[in-house]
Amino acid sequence: DVKVTQSSRYLVKRTGEKVFLECVQDMDHENMFWYRQDPGLGLRLIYFSYDVKMKEKGDIPEGYSVSREKKERFSLILESASTNQTSMYLCASREGDSGANVLTFGAGSRLTVL
Amino acid sequence: AQSVTQLGSHVSVSEGALVLLRCNYSSSVPPYLFWYVQYPNQGLQLLLKYTSAATLVKGINGFEAEFKKSETSFHLTKPSAHMSDAAEYFCAVSDRTSGTYKYIFGTGTRLKVLA
Repeated sequence: DVKVTQSSRYLVKRTGEKVFLECVQDMDHENMFWYRQDPGLGLRLIYFSYDVKMKEKGDIPEGYSVSREKKERFSLILESASTNQTSMYLCASREGDSGANVLTFGAGSRLTVL
Repeated sequence: AQSVTQLGSHVSVSEGALVLLRCNYSSSVPPYLFWYVQYPNQGLQLLLKYTSAATLVKGINGFEAEFKKSETSFHLTKPSAHMSDAAEYFCAVSDRTSGTYKYIFGTGTRLKVLA
């Protein structure tokens, strides 16, 4: 089975801090995604990457950046955390670029910004 | 752009009763549709997917969904609810508006199962 690992399950940060959320997948998937999950809003796409060093903005990229230096690792960066970025962050990966292919999710990183 | 609507943010059923979670999509072309489940403090896992092979799709844990093109619906059902089905359920459609397939998720339905 594909495994997607998010290294931090719970984080508490202060406003203005730089935050790194790390995601690693172990099945050589080309595509990786970062979503934000908020009650009543579902999942919203922040960024995705379809290859090493390649990235595209999703629906809500403001205040975030990403890094994909190696195929298995996709990092989400909050340059200067703000309280409205308190949320659950979900990483996912997918093999290839077919719309029928399934997303495999990590367990999530719950971030609280004080 | 495609969109997904889940009717009812919260649904309660008694144990043993029918589960029906509603999902409607907007799409001008045959879509790929998915249902995912999220148990507390976990990520999402796939229940089932529709890829045009059959309109009635069977998934894990006794769930199934029927694709109805005329109604643009993909409702999720289970004949008899178990306590372990309590979770949040998300409907999703894949969308290729700018090169790479991305997924549009509904806002989720939280299922509560009453003893």
